[in-house]
Amino acid sequence: NAGVTQTPKFQVLKTGQSMTLQCAQDMNHEYMSWYRQDPGMGLRLIHYSVGAGITDQGEVPNGYNVSRSTTEDFPLRLLSAAPSQTSVYFCASSYSDVNLRQISETQYFGPGTRLLVL
Amino acid sequence: DQQVKQNSPSLSVQEGRISILNCDYTNSMFDYFLWYKKYPAEGPTFLISISSIKDKNEDGRFTVFLNKSAKHLSLHIVPSQPGDSAVYFCAASPPSGGSNYKLTFGKGTLLTVNP
Repeated sequence: NAGVTQTPKFQVLKTGQSMTLQCAQDMNHEYMSWYRQDPGMGLRLIHYSVGAGITDQGEVPNGYNVSRSTTEDFPLRLLSAAPSQTSVYFCASSYSDVNLRQISETQYFGPGTRLLVL
Repeated sequence: DQQVKQNSPSLSVQEGRISILNCDYTNSMFDYFLWYKKYPAEGPTFLISISSIKDKNEDGRFTVFLNKSAKHLSLHIVPSQPGDSAVYFCAASPPSGGSNYKLTFGKGTLLTVNP
């Protein structure tokens, strides 16, 4: 199993450009999520999904869209990039369970995408 | 408003000694706490957790202590090894059973274990 994969590893964008960060997992996990990590800010949840066709907002959803058409893929879209979106983005997946503890403990994170918005 | 605080950005210890990483929280609704470990250029990995009904959980060299009255938890690593050098994130969650799948993370503490 490849686990959780993210592409690209690094991207430079100009303000106003759009792009999609790709995330895929081959573990048949129902739960997937996107975090951003900023210096001195820890990890903040952007969006998450508990299954195909279901998405919900996290702590910092503004400026980002997600969709979940398949179990395997959970792309994150930046519609109009801003310098404030410069960050490292992590995708994670887990077995879905009504118990957040189970999800939290079994989350597998991807290696991250570094995004620089000029 | 930062609900999970790791006030030490970095910590340096000698190999073989104890590493103590601290975490404070302000939201009394949190009742489950986790520690994640992160190496450079990798995603975080789950390390250990503790429920609010306990005050200690141990897993090998790693022990987490919870003081609910003080809203404080700590991660002890004994003995510390150079391979433990990483960023450690404290995270907290509200009670299970709802649809709020949102973990709140602290800012992280960079642990350096010197040989």
